[in-house]
Amino acid sequence: DAGVTQSPTHLIKTRGQQVTLRCSPKSGHDTVSWYQQALGQGPQFIFQYYEEEERQRGNFPDRFSGHQFPNYSSELNVNALLLGDSALYLCASSLAGAGGWTQYFGPGTRLLVL
Amino acid sequence: EDQVTQSPEALRLQEGESSSLNCSYTVSGLRGLFWYRQDPGKGPEFLFTLYSAGEEKEKERLKATLTKKESFLHITAPKPEDSATYLCAVQATNAGNMLTFGGGTRLMVKP
Repeated sequence: DAGVTQSPTHLIKTRGQQVTLRCSPKSGHDTVSWYQQALGQGPQFIFQYYEEEERQRGNFPDRFSGHQFPNYSSELNVNALLLGDSALYLCASSLAGAGGWTQYFGPGTRLLVL
Repeated sequence: EDQVTQSPEALRLQEGESSSLNCSYTVSGLRGLFWYRQDPGKGPEFLFTLYSAGEEKEKERLKATLTKKESFLHITAPKPEDSATYLCAVQATNAGNMLTFGGGTRLMVKP
């Protein structure tokens, strides 16, 4: 049973650039959430996608955008990168519907902005 | 606003020395409380979901309990391989599916 996968594992960008991160959910899951985790802190919710639409959004600027594809995979895009965007970006998947509240996380993408 | 506070921030134990990690939360209505384990540089690994006060769940040396205001993760006779950061998160009934996390407790178990 394939778990959540993310790519790339590591990425280095410079300020002002744009980045795209990718996520494939756990087999059978249809909902993807994205989190940002700064060093030494807990993850913070960015947004969630279900049925190819953004369903919920955390307190992040619109430089952060996303997409979900018909196969349930998802992308996170960040424009005009800032030094403060350096973090571990986590993707989590779950199954919509009653009882599907548990989210399973991928290994993350480590983004460094110079 | 939903809030989660974990204590202590860091904990050092000798192998076999049992202890508890605390997760205090404030939420308008609790749908679920989740515990995860995270190793350095990796994604959180799911441990437990608790839904209502009084509920308990166990897995090997770990036992999670829930009250109306806090949750405890009890570690019995820990081993060095239990060293990790333990994260607590809540999901509110009026907040869709998003998780609100605490800052985590970094546990180090020395042989």
